[in-house]
Amino acid sequence: RKEVEQDPGPFNVPEGATVAFNCTYSNSASQSFFWYRQDCRKEPKLLMSVYSSGNEDGRFTAQLNRASQYISLLIRDSKLSDSATYLCVVRSISSGSARQLTFGSGTQLTVLP
Amino acid sequence: DTEVTQTPKHLVMGMTNKKSLKCEQHMGHRAMYWYKQKAKKPPELMFVYSYEKLSINESVPSRFSPECPNSSLLNLHLHALQPEDSALYLCASSQDLTNSLNTEAFFGQGTRLTVV
Repeated sequence: RKEVEQDPGPFNVPEGATVAFNCTYSNSASQSFFWYRQDCRKEPKLLMSVYSSGNEDGRFTAQLNRASQYISLLIRDSKLSDSATYLCVVRSISSGSARQLTFGSGTQLTVLP
Repeated sequence: DTEVTQTPKHLVMGMTNKKSLKCEQHMGHRAMYWYKQKAKKPPELMFVYSYEKLSINESVPSRFSPECPNSSLLNLHLHALQPEDSALYLCASSQDLTNSLNTEAFFGQGTRLTVV
């Protein structure tokens, strides 16, 4: 089983639609959770951290369920500029104090006019 | 300044060449990472440096040799690479404080490497 699993998509949605991405992780000792966005041929950029109580940033809402080891991202009123690959990222302690980031395979989103 | 700078942006090298990738950050971050990313795949961790010491080596072949000369710099020395090593090589940095859990990693723009 992969450490971080995502539905690869692709998700093709019309402008203005609401779309949800899901992610599950296998390491129950994982500490921190993030959604990154990666545009074609660019580096990953942080979209938002995911907090236990859930958090919202404009049109984006992230949820964490530690009991189910599940993370979600909801995008409301999607824009053409939201088209990208969305990466679920989990941070866990590895050796000593080093923390490593493990990426899910990414979910590709295309917002259509 | 929330920037991680990587040079060069593009690199073409032969299988007998020796080259180095460079990464620099001035955010005071004490953890630095090398990732390799193939097309349509997520980044795969190669190395982690924590406080300038190699903490994680994800069974990377010895033809890749990391070096951390100081807390701001991270290099990746390349020697005798194979064509299948062609990929985007991403450097990242983050704070690595035990009392700071939600510290995100910042990525450089990457070096697109082609081995011929």
